[in-house]
Amino acid sequence: GEDVEQSLFLSVREGDSSVINCTYTDSSSTYLYWYKQEPGAGLQLLTYIFSNMDMKQDQRLTVLLNKKDKHLSLRIADTQTGDSAIYFCAEMDTDKLIFGTGTRLQVFP
Amino acid sequence: DAMVIQNPRYQVTQFGKPVTLSCSQTLNHNVMYWYQQKSSQAPKLLFHYYDKDFNNEADTPDNFQSRRPNTSFCFLDIRSPGLGDAAMYLCATSQRAGGTGELFFGEGSRLTVL
Repeated sequence: GEDVEQSLFLSVREGDSSVINCTYTDSSSTYLYWYKQEPGAGLQLLTYIFSNMDMKQDQRLTVLLNKKDKHLSLRIADTQTGDSAIYFCAEMDTDKLIFGTGTRLQVFP
Repeated sequence: DAMVIQNPRYQVTQFGKPVTLSCSQTLNHNVMYWYQQKSSQAPKLLFHYYDKDFNNEADTPDNFQSRRPNTSFCFLDIRSPGLGDAAMYLCATSQRAGGTGELFFGEGSRLTVL
């Protein structure tokens, strides 16, 4: 089956950049996604990238896609305390969203 | 305005006592999903409906059932909850055929089993 892997924790200082990494297995995914989950809440789509792109920028967020290595990353510029959450990458497999293991981002002052 | 609404947000039940969780949507999306998310884990797909077509994941226990009486509503029935079924249950919707395949999630229903 598909496996989407992420590192479990990331701790950064407020104002620094955060980079969250993800590796996936299904090279046929048309879109790849980043979702954010705050404590006790559902998942919120942050951004997505089409598989024929290698970079997408959206305000403070930059997504990089390396299809050859099946590696996806999310960079958050000027990280704020409100960015503290769990971040999931996800790939679509025939209508089903397969989530990564999630990275808990902690931002300290 | 919330587009995917789950009720109740918190549900406490006793071991073996049936539970029903509900999900409603105002997006008119044709696909609805139920995910189970245990503490510190990724959401795991239980099943999904494409219109009225039910698609069960191979490893979803028989204890879990679902109903979709119309486009707007979908229910998750847990027939005999065990301690291992304590989790957050997330409902999501999407519109197949075209678009980015984005899933829209509700806020979740947290189930506690005593």
